Amino acid sequence: AQRVTQPEKLLSVFKGAPVELKCNYSYSGSPELFWYVQYSRQRLQLLLRHISRESIKGFTADLNKGETSFHLKKPFAQEEDSAMYYCALKRGSTLGRLYFGRGTQLTVWP
Amino acid sequence: DAGVIQSPRHEVTEMGQEVTLRCKPISGHDYLFWYRQTMMRGLELLIYFNNNVPIDDSGMPEDRFSAKMPNASFSTLKIQPSEPRDSAVYFCASSFLQEVFFGQGTRLTVV
Repeated sequence: AQRVTQPEKLLSVFKGAPVELKCNYSYSGSPELFWYVQYSRQRLQLLLRHISRESIKGFTADLNKGETSFHLKKPFAQEEDSAMYYCALKRGSTLGRLYFGRGTQLTVWP
Repeated sequence: DAGVIQSPRHEVTEMGQEVTLRCKPISGHDYLFWYRQTMMRGLELLIYFNNNVPIDDSGMPEDRFSAKMPNASFSTLKIQPSEPRDSAVYFCASSFLQEVFFGQGTRLTVV
């Protein structure tokens, strides 16, 4: 069965510090992973996807199949990064058929 | 484009009452999803439609839950009768090709 684990419910860092939000997964097929972000009072939105190998708002995430991880990283956190972050695994071929982790609430202090 | 529109934004109802949540997907999107978010279980997929046809409802928790999509621009999620444990935020999402867009959610409280 598929599973997405985000071990940290809460994460706090100071502005300018590096941040890493952890995500581990288990999936028998070929995984396709995403990070979604939900800013306060806003809707859930896509941050990045592993197949794009992109950097969005300074965030990157690398899929490590050996460790079954997809950690989200940013070298210098900003206050506006404070939000709820969800790691998600696509199930099957349907893009919106996602299995979400429980989320990590990131707070960046000034 | 206003994105995926859900109504109401907040709903408070008494146990035993029927609750109907509404969703208007983005025009042209061919998939529609209903998710539920709770503290205990996080975000869970309840059901999804493709071209108005329900494809997978295995996430619907009980027979008290039902969802319909009578046309490409409207879907409902109904709970009858509602129970306090149904209290959650219900999200609707729609997608076309490479991206999924979420609505702002309906916060349901059953007292």
